[in-house]
Amino acid sequence: GAVVSQHPSWVICKSGTSVKIECRSLDFQATTMFWYRQFPKQSLMLMATSNEGSKATYEQGVEKDKFLINHASLTLSTLTVTSAHPEDSSFYICSANKDSANYGYTFGSGTRLTVV
Amino acid sequence: DAKTTQPPSMDCAEGRAANLPCNHSTISGNEYVYWYRQIHSQGPQYIIHGLKNNETNEMASLIITEDRKSSTLILPHATLRDTAVYYCITRGGSQGNLIFGKGTKLSVKP
Repeated sequence: GAVVSQHPSWVICKSGTSVKIECRSLDFQATTMFWYRQFPKQSLMLMATSNEGSKATYEQGVEKDKFLINHASLTLSTLTVTSAHPEDSSFYICSANKDSANYGYTFGSGTRLTVV
Repeated sequence: DAKTTQPPSMDCAEGRAANLPCNHSTISGNEYVYWYRQIHSQGPQYIIHGLKNNETNEMASLIITEDRKSSTLILPHATLRDTAVYYCITRGGSQGNLIFGKGTKLSVKP
């Protein structure tokens, strides 16, 4: 199988604080992980691609200094939302690919971020 | 942009087969078709994927037309727990990521 664990599942934070979300591939190594964001009643939108050992690649319109991505090992990528504001409240989801031809892409369970 | 087209919503009676169509007329020869579903406030769940042959697993069957321009996901005996948004996806992102469209909201009714 291919399992991706995401933590925490939900978090509430105050405006101006930072929040870290972890994404782990439990039974495989992932040189690449993807971070998506989903606003209510909308589809998933790719924010950035996390690459082990190198800088992340951000999609157009996503602030790299606000959404810090660290992919320090082959099984862990972290997304830190810095100086969070209410408009950052969203559902954040990570994904990793073990072997797309046989397993497809595996997604974490998501993190519901609420900034108050 | 997503490279697939799906109806926005469908209803299905509990116990009946749910047939979810998807058009992917611009799919390239080596691109897989992936199906995922998302239950409210959860991450997408993998269902099935295929290249050109029909596929079946414990969750569903995938029927791909011979020209590969469309496919149908079949849930043989839909239950209330199958109510979700179903996404038909071909990998198309520049980073090798999946691009999500709006999907089909399937409502299974008693």
